[in-house]
Order: sequence, then C-alpha cells, then structure tokens
Amino acid sequence: GNSVTQMEGPVTLSEEAFLTINCTYTATGYPSLFWYVQYPGEGLQLLLKATKADDKGSNKGFEATYRKETTSFHLEKGSVQVSDSAVYFCALSTAGTASKLTFGTGTRLQVTL
Amino acid sequence: DTEVTQTPKHLVMGMTNKKSLKCEQHMGHRAMYWYKQKAKKPPELMFVYSYEKLSINESVPSRFSPECPNSSLLNLHLHALQPEDSALYLCASSQLRANVLTFGAGSRLTVL
Repeated sequence: GNSVTQMEGPVTLSEEAFLTINCTYTATGYPSLFWYVQYPGEGLQLLLKATKADDKGSNKGFEATYRKETTSFHLEKGSVQVSDSAVYFCALSTAGTASKLTFGTGTRLQVTL
Repeated sequence: DTEVTQTPKHLVMGMTNKKSLKCEQHMGHRAMYWYKQKAKKPPELMFVYSYEKLSINESVPSRFSPECPNSSLLNLHLHALQPEDSALYLCASSQLRANVLTFGAGSRLTVL
C-alpha cells in the first residue's frame, strides 16, 4: 500500500534560517506528491505539488523536487519567517475518479525571532 | 469563489444529541470529501462523494451519516457520538480527474 514518512518534529528555527523537512514515500505506480500546510486553528492549504519525476513544485519561497530514484520529496526554504510557523504535511495520491490522499504524520515548524 | 465553507466552526454536543455539519463549495467540483483530524495527527479520510453519490466509505461507524443533497453541498449528520469522536472535521472538494483537494477551515467538534 501507499505510505508517507516525514521527519519528526517539532522543528525550531530562528528567523532567516534555512529549512529542510524530509519526506519519503512508498507507492505503487506513479503518484503525485504534495505539501500541505496547516496554520494554527485552520484547515489545510495546498503549498505545492509535483506530478512526475524531476518536477519541482514551488510557492511562497518553498520548493520541493520529486525524486523517483530516492522516493523523496523534501521541502526546503532558504529563509524562514515567523509567519511560516505551522504544521507541514507531505502527501501523495494516485489519481482516479476521486483522489485518496495519503498523508504523512506532519511536522510542526516553529520559527522564532 | 475558490473556497470551501464549513459551518459551524465549533460545535459542542452531548452523546444523545443529533447535530449536523455542513460544507459548501461553488467551484464546480464534483468530488467532495469528509476527513477527521485528531490533535497532532494527520487527517483521516472518512467519506468520498463523486457526482453526489457515495463512492468511498472508510469503514466509518454508522453514527456518522453523510449526505450530498446537490453538487455544492455536503452534510455530515451526527447521532449518538462518543467522546472519542471529538476532533476537527474537515471538508474538501476537487475536480474528478484532478488530485488537488481544496480544504475548508474545519468544524471543531467536542462530544461531552
């Protein structure tokens, strides 16, 4: 079956530090990969996605590259801000009539001044 | 309109109450979803509707009863819940052949 493994949090960084959140996956076929972000007290928002190998998703300074050879989709940002404090979920789906997302356990990021 | 709207934002109910959660989207999405999220856990899929028909039920107890009255609305009827059902309930929608979900902000349910 499909599964997603994320690094355990919390991750605590100072503002302007470099961020990496590791994500690896197991899937049959060729999944699409996603990073969703959940700010405190809110639902999930799509941060970025990649649908095939070597695709790079990017948004709001965050990037992740779909690496088929290492089955990874690590999230990076060059300079984090306090407003980036949230929980980040890596997820995958195999498209069909209705998508079923498989989520990782989430990584909490806390950015301090 | 690019939002999924969920009401109420917060709900407190007793174990004998009957209540409903509501979800609405006007993006023309024909797939709609209910997820349950416990604290510090990822969302867990409960139900999927495609073209207003239930297509996936992830073995959810019958005290949760979904309903999709039309392509824009999704309800979750709650009856005889247990305290362990307290969670954030998230609604989402998507195009049928796309795999990008748009989530609502959630309804936080507390069962006393």
